[in-house]
Amino acid sequence: GENVEQHPSTLSVQEGDSAVIKCTYSDSASNYFPWYKQELGKGPQLIIDIRSNVGEKKDQRIAVTLNKTAKHFSLHITETQPEDSAVYFCASLLNYQLIWGAGTKLIIKP
Amino acid sequence: KAGVTQTPRYLIKTRGQQVTLSCSPISGHRSVSWYQQTPGQGLQFLFEYFSETQRNKGNFPGRFSGRQFSNSRSEMNVSTLELGDSALYLCASTPQGAAGANVLTFGAGSRLTVL
Repeated sequence: GENVEQHPSTLSVQEGDSAVIKCTYSDSASNYFPWYKQELGKGPQLIIDIRSNVGEKKDQRIAVTLNKTAKHFSLHITETQPEDSAVYFCASLLNYQLIWGAGTKLIIKP
Repeated sequence: KAGVTQTPRYLIKTRGQQVTLSCSPISGHRSVSWYQQTPGQGLQFLFEYFSETQRNKGNFPGRFSGRQFSNSRSEMNVSTLELGDSALYLCASTPQGAAGANVLTFGAGSRLTVL
């Protein structure tokens, strides 16, 4: 079955710097890749997603890139701010079921 | 517009007991899915309900069950609790269609501790 690996598990960056989180998936039939952000005490919330017919998508300071050949996708956050501190989850969709990565705890240092 | 409401938010049980968790989806959302979240394991899919029918099921033992009512509210039940069942249980709703193919709106979760 599908497997999603997410790295790193913890990422600490200086405020204002960029952060990159990477995920790899195993089944080439996966066709939808969302990213969710989970703040302390809350449920995850979708921040950006990408479909398999697109290579890159941007939304202000957030971007996602997809490399179908290599079967990996990445979340890029530029000009990080304190409110970016959270746990980020990637996922891939296969057969109408989302398979989730283990999460990345992003720490923004002042 | 009210979000996804999960009750109770926190609960403590002992091994062997059972527990029932409740989820009220966003008004108009007909699909409800449940996830178990444990540290380092991400989100593990439990099951999805749509129009009172279980449409998809994850790889969990039969001790985990659920149901959905005609008003789309959903409950999940865990019987014969084990220490390893301690986790945050998240519910998510989507308007229609397969939950995985749509944006999930999550509740804040029910944190279960099994002693």
